[in-house]
Amino acid sequence: EAGVAQSPRYKIIEKRQSVAFWCNPISGHATLYWYQQILGQGPKLLIQFQNNGVVDDSQLPKDRFSAERLKGVDSTLKIQPAKLEDSAVYLCASSLDLRHYEQYFGPGTRLLVL
Amino acid sequence: GEDVEQSLFLSVREGDSSVINCTYTDSSSTYLYWYKQEPGAGLQLLTYIFSNMDMKQDQRLTVLLNKKDKHLSLRIADTQTGDSAIYFCAESKGNKLVFGAGTILRVKS
Repeated sequence: EAGVAQSPRYKIIEKRQSVAFWCNPISGHATLYWYQQILGQGPKLLIQFQNNGVVDDSQLPKDRFSAERLKGVDSTLKIQPAKLEDSAVYLCASSLDLRHYEQYFGPGTRLLVL
Repeated sequence: GEDVEQSLFLSVREGDSSVINCTYTDSSSTYLYWYKQEPGAGLQLLTYIFSNMDMKQDQRLTVLLNKKDKHLSLRIADTQTGDSAIYFCAESKGNKLVFGAGTILRVKS
């Protein structure tokens, strides 16, 4: 069974530029999560989808971050414009349903904003 | 402050037992989890415990839960160099997981 796929693995941009990350969850997984992991910290949930609907986006900075999962499969997370403090690893995870203990994580996208 | 707290670093010798500790704040958390993160990789679920349990054992891993003190621990028996990683404790809060900052485990051969 293929795991959670993410691309790109690394991205370096200048502040005020835009960037997009892509995630393809495990086939058949209805729930998809985007986390932000700042160096030295644990992952923090940004947004959670159940199929193509948003379950929780309370910690998503909506003035600059957006995410979509239009067909309920893969998902895109966008930052526009980026700030220095957005430098982090962006992790995507998926689970079969809303039972948290079955979350499977992708390798992450490491973003550096200069 | 952090909802979930962990010590920053633990160093053990190969073959010894490792004990990683965690305190959490939400007494209504249904599940508590331990994840492992190796360099450059995502998080891997190691084990979890339901809040009505005191202990769970899975091969070399033993999870102890003290619900009164909101204290969770992970014991790794016969620690190997491949166990070197960052270990995250997490609690469930509603529909989401809240993670600690992680404990770096270093295993010396």
